[in-house]
Amino acid sequence: VQLVESGGGLVQPGGSLRLSCVASGFSFNVYWMGWVRQAPGKGLECVANINPDGSQKYFVDSVRGRFTVSRDNAKNSLYLQMDSLRADDTALYYCVRNDDHDFVYWGPGVLVTVSS
Amino acid sequence: DVVMTQSPLSLPVTLGQPASISCRSSQSLAYSNGNTYLIWFQQRPGQSPRRLIYKVSNRDSGVPDRFSGSGSGTEFTLQISRVEADDVGVYYCMQGTHWPWTFGQGTEVEIK
Repeated sequence: VQLVESGGGLVQPGGSLRLSCVASGFSFNVYWMGWVRQAPGKGLECVANINPDGSQKYFVDSVRGRFTVSRDNAKNSLYLQMDSLRADDTALYYCVRNDDHDFVYWGPGVLVTVSS
Repeated sequence: DVVMTQSPLSLPVTLGQPASISCRSSQSLAYSNGNTYLIWFQQRPGQSPRRLIYKVSNRDSGVPDRFSGSGSGTEFTLQISRVEADDVGVYYCMQGTHWPWTFGQGTEVEIK
């Protein structure tokens, strides 16, 4: 199993960024997937979860209405569209595979920095 | 949201000695299907978290048997029977019962 994130970088407050995660080594289209973030030197926060066919999506309150999660099962890919970014969105964003209400597999993470 | 409270937040341990980390949830973590989704992760410096224990007490493949998890309802414990140098890092509990799934603040284990 491998999860590899991309798309991070420096963005100004109010800006947008789209993260991608390419999965391999398992049947992507049968698993819930998610995003977990970790602010520098801080703890972990579940950001979003999406079911196998993309019809169910869950978000933490702090990002609801600003972030969107989606997937392309044909491309074994998961996405996180982040709009109206704020300084407190600065974090390492991990792509995770959801295995029965928890996360066994994590990507290496991609850094998002929101700063002017 | 369910608040997960870990203690202690810092845990200096002598090599070969036991260590124990407590995790308390603000609500019961018993799920409607009978499972209790309390998970323990280890995060070594510069690495992604690694799952150690799932559903309270099930150890992941490859995790040394010196790690064990216990508890029920709202109180849970991770125990390391004999701490080794390789165990240094931050340990997090997480609940996967109530969305949004939430983590404890983390407990930093260091060698004295």
